[in-house]
Amino acid sequence: EVRLVESGGGLVQPGGSLRLSCEAFGFTLSGYWMHWVRQAPGEGLAWVSRVRSDGKITTYADSVKGRFTISRDNVKNTVYLQMSSLIVEDTAVYYCVRIDVGTDMVTVDLWGQGTLVTVSS
Amino acid sequence: QTVVTQEPSLTVSPGGTVTLTCASSTGAVTSGYYANWFQQKPGQAPRALIYSTNYKHSWTPARFSGSLLGGRAALTLSGVQPEDEAEYYCLLYISATQHYVFGTGTKVTVL
Repeated sequence: EVRLVESGGGLVQPGGSLRLSCEAFGFTLSGYWMHWVRQAPGEGLAWVSRVRSDGKITTYADSVKGRFTISRDNVKNTVYLQMSSLIVEDTAVYYCVRIDVGTDMVTVDLWGQGTLVTVSS
Repeated sequence: QTVVTQEPSLTVSPGGTVTLTCASSTGAVTSGYYANWFQQKPGQAPRALIYSTNYKHSWTPARFSGSLLGGRAALTLSGVQPEDEAEYYCLLYISATQHYVFGTGTKVTVL
């Protein structure tokens, strides 16, 4: 079965750090751009970051740039999101998302189940 | 910063048709925005429905279709079923910034 499984969420104090992981099962991560998307409680979806298949290109939303770092280990079939200087507004469910980018085509087709990050004192 | 706007809520009768739209603050949405559409039910992760404006996934019911309509991306539900009641989000790729932006979401109620 093809799926993404996130882990690493939890309760952290403002100013703290946390690392999320996303492991892929049933397929090889190395062929895909991988993204993180978050959803604050009762709110809509917000794109956070992306990393190219080889890990050499990363992009961030303005709201997390300079505080979050996305990376990947294709041998471990895992994507990471290192979050630091966390603020209350970072509280959300974080989803790992697979996006296939082809010639004149962008296909979002696989979401993980999400992991909850709560930033609170 | 690009803002992507959707109708906050829409109500449709069972068997009816409803069209949701996705507008960009920077101008007309074209095929180059590669619009994707998702359905999300309470307590669940989003599920992909449409990619690259009008392509369906293998699991997408035939009653869902994507298009461009009047400078916006559009998702049409034809022959609506009670199980289609959900929140729907669009996602656009902004090539100028290489960012992706989600729409504000549309709550579809089937009554």
